[in-house]
Amino acid sequence: DQQVKQNSPSLSVQEGRISILNCDYTNSMFDYFLWYKKYPAEGPTFLISISSIKDKNEDGRFTVFLNKSAKHLSLHIVPSQPGDSAVYFCAARFGNEKLTFGTGTRLTIIP
Amino acid sequence: DAGVIQSPRHEVTEMGQEVTLRCKPISGHNSLFWYRQTMMRGLELLIYFNNNVPIDDSGMPEDRFSAKMPNASFSTLKIQPSEPRDSAVYFCASSLYEWEDQPQHFGDGTRLSIL
Repeated sequence: DQQVKQNSPSLSVQEGRISILNCDYTNSMFDYFLWYKKYPAEGPTFLISISSIKDKNEDGRFTVFLNKSAKHLSLHIVPSQPGDSAVYFCAARFGNEKLTFGTGTRLTIIP
Repeated sequence: DAGVIQSPRHEVTEMGQEVTLRCKPISGHNSLFWYRQTMMRGLELLIYFNNNVPIDDSGMPEDRFSAKMPNASFSTLKIQPSEPRDSAVYFCASSLYEWEDQPQHFGDGTRLSIL
């Protein structure tokens, strides 16, 4: 049973435009959410996180939005750059429980 | 600073053989995690250690899988006997603390193919 779902396996966006990656979760107890970015043949690297007490967290071109009532998380990248082409994983956690990851979305930025 | 180091990067072996994956966490990190990545299930946590002690192995698929952490700088994940369905990318990650806000740092993974 997948508690964290990334329903879009892939996404293509024009360079300079906004990329929006979505993530849905089923466990309302999750209180901490993260996004990881993964290049081919490399391990995932931490990108940005958000606590459930917030609804938005921003770091440069990256903004994560949390809608607790909808159990929905999104990552916005503005403007999108070719180096953003990667697989993005969202992950969620409740308290000191383990991280639960989604299946990933492959983002391709078209020059 | 050296990151998490995994070896081998690639492993191809025949069904039934023993496979050993190795991991060296970042120095000073107290927690170590083994994950498996597949297309269908994404990143799944197999087991994690805190201060070299296994804390949660509920993600280990079956008794064919075992993991050890004999000291703070080394861990192994062993599959014996291996099966084709074990083919996946296996990642090791480490962090300063167990599940606090410290992000996990991942190695580059071992791509395992069981023929």
